[in-house]
Amino acid sequence: EVQLVQSGAEVKKPGESLKISCKGSGYSFTSYWIDWVRQMPGKGLEWMGIIYPGDYDTRYSPSFQGQVTISADKSISTAYLQWSSLKASDTAMYYCVRRSGSLRALDYWGQGTLVTVSS
Amino acid sequence: QSALTQPASVSGSPGQSITISCTGTSSDVGDYNYVSWYQQHPGKAPKLMIYEVSNRPSGVSNRFSGSKSGNTASLTISGLQAEDEADYYCSSYTTSSTLAYVFGTGTKVTVL
Repeated sequence: EVQLVQSGAEVKKPGESLKISCKGSGYSFTSYWIDWVRQMPGKGLEWMGIIYPGDYDTRYSPSFQGQVTISADKSISTAYLQWSSLKASDTAMYYCVRRSGSLRALDYWGQGTLVTVSS
Repeated sequence: QSALTQPASVSGSPGQSITISCTGTSSDVGDYNYVSWYQQHPGKAPKLMIYEVSNRPSGVSNRFSGSKSGNTASLTISGLQAEDEADYYCSSYTTSSTLAYVFGTGTKVTVL
């Protein structure tokens, strides 16, 4: 069974750093792109970027370029999303998602990680 | 990259059919047959309902169907059921950069 299991909810202060994780199982982790998607409270889905764990090729949405870093460790089938200095506006649910090459769509979603940034 | 445009809300009675539109540009919806639709119930992660404009993944009810004309894609739910009440998002590849993805603004479907 394909699964993406994300790390737990986080509460941070503005200016702090954070790295959240997404562990894949049930499939060849290095053969599929992993996307990250943001959903701010009460708002829609926003595409942040993508990484290919096989060779760590990474692309970012212009809206998120320079704001976050996407990485992965294929030895432990885990992708990461990190911030060096959080802002209150980073408060959101973050989803990691597997991108199916054959379906050209996001077929398996993690359960989401809620990040709350508040002083 | 601007979000694709969807109506904020659509409603219908049980058994009826409803259609949700998703309007993009010639740089996304109009240029690719890689339009997908996702269903999101409150507090849950989204779920893939339609891929490549009109294909259903295994396990998705055939009451859900998709189509596209020019820069506008559509999702139709026929035989509306209470469990269909959710938010729906369209998405598309975009020419802005390789593998770039764009979502729609989202539509709240209410079953009356």
